[in-house]
Amino acid sequence: DAKTTQPPSMDCAEGRAANLPCNHSTISGNEYVYWYRQIHSQGPQYIIHGLKNNETNEMASLIITEDRKSSTLILPHATLRDTAVYYCIADNAGNMLTFGGGTRLMVKP
Amino acid sequence: EAGVAQSPRYKIIEKRQSVAFWCNPISGHATLYWYQQILGQGPKLLIQFQNNGVVDDSQLPKDRFSAERLKGVDSTLKIQPAKLEDSAVYLCASSLEFGSPNEQFFGPGTRLTVL
Repeated sequence: DAKTTQPPSMDCAEGRAANLPCNHSTISGNEYVYWYRQIHSQGPQYIIHGLKNNETNEMASLIITEDRKSSTLILPHATLRDTAVYYCIADNAGNMLTFGGGTRLMVKP
Repeated sequence: EAGVAQSPRYKIIEKRQSVAFWCNPISGHATLYWYQQILGQGPKLLIQFQNNGVVDDSQLPKDRFSAERLKGVDSTLKIQPAKLEDSAVYLCASSLEFGSPNEQFFGPGTRLTVL
């Protein structure tokens, strides 16, 4: 699996968009980009995944660059409940997930 | 839809004792995973089952850890004997199928403290 790099922490104001970057410069053609988050004392929660095209669901949007070497997870209107560790993972089927350190997002009032 | 169930939620044991964790995946999910999450780190995959067969257990310390999923539904993870460094949260997850883009659903985890 391709290695991913994320900033260790980020802050965001409540109500504003949170943009979480992820670098995956060695991603292979059949690997998807998955995003999970882990709220304190809970198990990880799936957010979204994508291959080439941008994706959007009720939780977030995923923007993948044309060369697929990086992506950005966008939470359009962050709330205090979005405070969590966000993990970006490159994997071909979503089975062999390798979690790194993730980005600790703190949403502030 | 009921989520992934795990028990117990918390367990405290002394080193060299044995411990077992139980997981009941979401109904109909063929693939089941066990992860270990040490404080401050991301989860690490220990073992993956497809129905009742092991797909991958390359990161399972087999000298002390064992896992089974006898009827392809619920699963147990055992540690015998436990070491101090086994203190962690043990997470169970399940997914609908193996080999296609899919999401994993995680349980709340079992927090193990080894004294």
